[in-house]
Amino acid sequence: GAVVSQHPSRVICKSGTSVKIECRSLDFQATTMFWYRQFPKQSLMLMATSNEGSKATYEQGVEKDKFLINHASLTLSTLTVTSAHPEDSSFYICSAASITNTGELFFGEGSRLTVL
Amino acid sequence: RKEVEQDPGPFNVPEGATVAFNCTYSNSASQSFFWYRQDCRKEPKLLMSVYSSGNEDGRFTAQLNRASQYISLLIRDSKLSDSATYLCAVNNAGNMLTFGGGTRLMVKP
Repeated sequence: GAVVSQHPSRVICKSGTSVKIECRSLDFQATTMFWYRQFPKQSLMLMATSNEGSKATYEQGVEKDKFLINHASLTLSTLTVTSAHPEDSSFYICSAASITNTGELFFGEGSRLTVL
Repeated sequence: RKEVEQDPGPFNVPEGATVAFNCTYSNSASQSFFWYRQDCRKEPKLLMSVYSSGNEDGRFTAQLNRASQYISLLIRDSKLSDSATYLCAVNNAGNMLTFGGGTRLMVKP
C-alpha cells in the first residue's frame, strides 16, 4: 500500500528554536497533504491543508506565521514550528491524498515534539 | 456542537465480547466516512470505509445512517489486540477529514 514517511519521529528542542518536520509520499504523488496536531488524550485537529505549488490553507486559530508550511513538490511537504514554546509540544501527523484521488488518506508515522 | 462526536469511553470489555461504537456528524452534506484505529503514540490506521449499504470485514461491521447522521462500528468476538482508540472520520470535501474525539476500547482477558 501507499507509504507516507515523516521525519523526525521524535524531537526535543529548546524554547525559542525552530523545528522542521518533513512529510514525504514515498510511492505516490500527492497534490494535497494535511497537517494534524494531537494533544494527549485528544483527537487529531486539522491545522492546515498543504497544496503543491500554492500557499497552504490554515484552519481557524492556527497561526500561519508560526507554523510555516511548504509543499514544494508532489512528494514533499514540510511543517516548520517557529520560535517553539512548551505549549507547542504535541504529536504532529501529516497525511497525503494520492493524485489519483482514491478517497483514502495515508498517514505518516507522526512526529512527537517536546519543547523544553 | 462538535462536527463529529464520539463517546470517549473507555469501553472495558472481556475477550470474546461484542462491542459497538457510534459516531454522529453534523454536516448533512458529508460525503464519505471512515473508521480509523489508533494505538497509543502511533498514527491512525484505516480500519474500514463506511458505506450506506453497510460493510463487513471479518469481525468488524460498519454502518452508515444518513437520515440520522451517524455511523457505527461493531466488533464481534473481541480480542486483546483490539484494544486501541477508534476514531471515526468524516470527509466533507477535498479529502479533508474531520475526526471525532475517539473512543477508547480496552479488552481484558
